[in-house]
Amino acid sequence: DAGITQSPRHKVTETGTPVTLRCHQTENHRYMYWYRQDPGHGLRLIHYSYGVKDTDKGEVSDGYSVSRSKTEDFLLTLESATSSQTSVYFCAITRTGDGYTFGSGTRLTVV
Amino acid sequence: KQEVTQIPAALSVPEGENLVLNCSFTDSAIYNLQWFRQDPGKGLTSLLLIQSSQREQTSGRLNASLDKSSGRSTLYIAASQPGDSATYLCAVREGYSGAGSYQLTFGKGTKLSVIP
Repeated sequence: DAGITQSPRHKVTETGTPVTLRCHQTENHRYMYWYRQDPGHGLRLIHYSYGVKDTDKGEVSDGYSVSRSKTEDFLLTLESATSSQTSVYFCAITRTGDGYTFGSGTRLTVV
Repeated sequence: KQEVTQIPAALSVPEGENLVLNCSFTDSAIYNLQWFRQDPGKGLTSLLLIQSSQREQTSGRLNASLDKSSGRSTLYIAASQPGDSATYLCAVREGYSGAGSYQLTFGKGTKLSVIP
């Protein structure tokens, strides 16, 4: 997870509240991604960004929004958290020639 | 839609054995394939990246092969150690151009236990 910091590392929130997860990178990579990992489903792409203010949806984007106002920060917002969004969320970047590098993850529990 | 399958889902071997983990994918038009390791409660650590034009990559005791035409990759671990115990994930990146082509499709992983 060199150069990628996710915050918070753990969060418990109540159903219906908005939640924002942050991914910060220090290496000026253009592409950033948010994945969620769930037992039985593996890792699935939520949203990705290919530049400042350039984002697009992934496989499981419903209920999530993202923003990227600076190269180094990619924010994931759960607009109104539901129990089905309890998961581990991973941020990732792609390095040319090196494939993907993932952050350490945020464990989110919605109660 | 690309689908990635890893068999077996779990594997237990005695220390010192050589072993092979399997990964298959349905669409052979891939850009590259990446193997990751994940320890319980932790993030993903990249092990090996194989570009579509390559047949294999090696790092220490690890060797990954790629056969695009048959939609298969294997991860070979030599002289396994208890510290190799983890879940191993295979992921492929699509081969078409465009922003969405950077997406990875993951298998569900093989959980490896190496018994001392």
